[in-house]
Amino acid sequence: DAGVTQSPTHLIKTRGQQVTLRCSPKSGHDTVSWYQQALGQGPQFIFQYYEEEERQRGNFPDRFSGHQFPNYSSELNVNALLLGDSALYLCASSLAGANTGELFFGEGSRLTVL
Amino acid sequence: AQKVTQAQTEISVVEKEDVTLDCVYETRDTTYYLFWYKQPPSGELVFLIRRNSFDEQNEISGRYSWNFQKSTSSFNFTITASQVVDSAVYFCALIRSGTSYGKLTFGQGTILTVHP
Repeated sequence: DAGVTQSPTHLIKTRGQQVTLRCSPKSGHDTVSWYQQALGQGPQFIFQYYEEEERQRGNFPDRFSGHQFPNYSSELNVNALLLGDSALYLCASSLAGANTGELFFGEGSRLTVL
Repeated sequence: AQKVTQAQTEISVVEKEDVTLDCVYETRDTTYYLFWYKQPPSGELVFLIRRNSFDEQNEISGRYSWNFQKSTSSFNFTITASQVVDSAVYFCALIRSGTSYGKLTFGQGTILTVHP
């Protein structure tokens, strides 16, 4: 049973560029959440997707956008990259109907902005 | 608004010592879940425990135990007879229950280093 998989694992971009990160949820899960974890900090909620719609959003600017596909996989897009966007981006999947709050996390995509 | 505070930024112990990681939370929700996650250097957040706000019973799992006290809004985590493999960053987190579209609120994390 595959867990949450994310790609790429590491990437380097320069300021002003755009980046797309990908996530495949755990088998059977239909909800995907994205978190940003800056160095030395706890993860911060970016947004959550369910039924291909953004359901809830954290305190992140519109440069951060996402998408969920019919197979429940998801993408996180960040435009006009800033140095401060350097972080570990974590994807988490869950089952909406379970209402247990339990999330399964991937190993993350580590983004470095130069 | 929800808030989770882990006052201990770093803890260093010698193997076989017991260690307690503190977690204090704030929420206006009447029902919620509390979590502890472990983050090894690989980056993946490893689920350790989930506790429903209605269940204040302490729980023990092997060398791990958790003390949930609603009266003080605390959910502390104790590792008994620590081992080098316990070295990691530990996060306490909170989520409102009863909804499909919740977000986890994490603390800042506690870096635990267990020396041989």
